[in-house]
Amino acid sequence: DADVTQTPRNRITKTGKRIMLECSQTKGHDRMYWYRQDPGLGLRLIYYSFDVKDINKGEISDGYSVSRQAQAKFSLSLESAIPNQTALYFCATSDPVRENTGELFFGEGSRLTVL
Amino acid sequence: AQSVTQLDSHVSVSEGTPVLLRCNYSSSYSPSLFWYVQHPNKGLQLLLKYTSAATLVKGINGFEAEFKKSETSFHLTKPSAHMSDAAEYFCAPNQAGTALIFGKGTTLSVSS
Repeated sequence: DADVTQTPRNRITKTGKRIMLECSQTKGHDRMYWYRQDPGLGLRLIYYSFDVKDINKGEISDGYSVSRQAQAKFSLSLESAIPNQTALYFCATSDPVRENTGELFFGEGSRLTVL
Repeated sequence: AQSVTQLDSHVSVSEGTPVLLRCNYSSSYSPSLFWYVQHPNKGLQLLLKYTSAATLVKGINGFEAEFKKSETSFHLTKPSAHMSDAAEYFCAPNQAGTALIFGKGTTLSVSS
């Protein structure tokens, strides 16, 4: 089983719908992240959390919200999806103390299409 | 604040020839630096990392990168490209206490 699991892997939805992307990890890491990937733009940071009580906005947080339900779970919500939120979303974890680096460990990605 | 620039959006090489993917960063402090690779329809995989030890870093699949503080660069190289190297490559600097910021990526094409 993957250390960082994202669900769903693929989702097609309509404009205005509420969508939640879920991420769970078995690595025991404190830090979790959500990025979105668009062709030609690389990965852009949406939100990140350094522990259960810590939530931080990234470069492109507008239109998104997150919930850190437990150390192992970090969910991304789109309250009212719009077509330009169509993208590939990645969850990642890190633990600079445990891993001795800031290396990120990624999930397989969730492809979201908003019609 | 830190930023990163990948100088080429697309690099094309022939199989067996050298690969050079360029990355420059801007940071107030000496960062850790990472290269990640993403093969088509796959997630991101760590290729190599620099964490203030040796300036020449060796990674997987024959790739290496050299940290040059004076040039604020961390270019990725490989002596001889293989068809399986065709992928997208991302450079990412990291300052302690912050999240990784990624470059826009370089797509590497390898022709036979």
